[in-house]
Amino acid sequence: DAGVIQSPRHEVTEMGQEVTLRCKPISGHNSLFWYRQTMMRGLELLIYFNNNVPIDDSGMPEDRFSAKMPNASFSTLKIQPSEPRDSAVYFCASSEGGANQPQHFGDGTRLSIL
Amino acid sequence: GENVEQHPSTLSVQEGDSAVIKCTYSDSASNYFPWYKQELGKRPQLIIDIRSNVGEKKDQRIAVTLNKTAKHFSLHITETQPEDSAVYFCAASDSGNTPLVFGKGTRLSVIA
Repeated sequence: DAGVIQSPRHEVTEMGQEVTLRCKPISGHNSLFWYRQTMMRGLELLIYFNNNVPIDDSGMPEDRFSAKMPNASFSTLKIQPSEPRDSAVYFCASSEGGANQPQHFGDGTRLSIL
Repeated sequence: GENVEQHPSTLSVQEGDSAVIKCTYSDSASNYFPWYKQELGKRPQLIIDIRSNVGEKKDQRIAVTLNKTAKHFSLHITETQPEDSAVYFCAASDSGNTPLVFGKGTRLSVIA
């Protein structure tokens, strides 16, 4: 079991640039979650996919954020244009069968926007 | 929507003592309550979970209790060890389509 794989592990970029975060869920898991973690706001759900379909995107902060899941083994979270307040650790998690099943987190992407 | 409150925000215990972290939830329909441990710089890891059809669950030194009437659940760690030092998060969900709502976390420090 390779676990949830995220890339890159670290990203440092200047404000205004486009940022793309990637996630490969555990094989066989049909639910995928993107979270953002900061000291001030804790762990926040951004968006949740079930069977590649977005179920709840109410946590997406604004139109600068977008997420896709083109197939069962890949998802992206894009920020365009990026701003310093987007700096955070972004986690992807997957589960087998919805939000009320055990979620397995990836190692996260530490994003710094200068 | 669901609201999860977690207490205390920080907790220090001597090695070998017990630690208890408490969470309350607002949605009486919630039926799944996991606990995650996050070490510094690492990912959250599921350590134990409980569903609303049971009142208590144990796994070695870790136990979780659930009081549905009072809408609260607790994590109990016995015989604490320095490696138990981490941030612990509780969460609640009421269905497969309703995302987990996390508490703000408890920073546990076990002093050797």
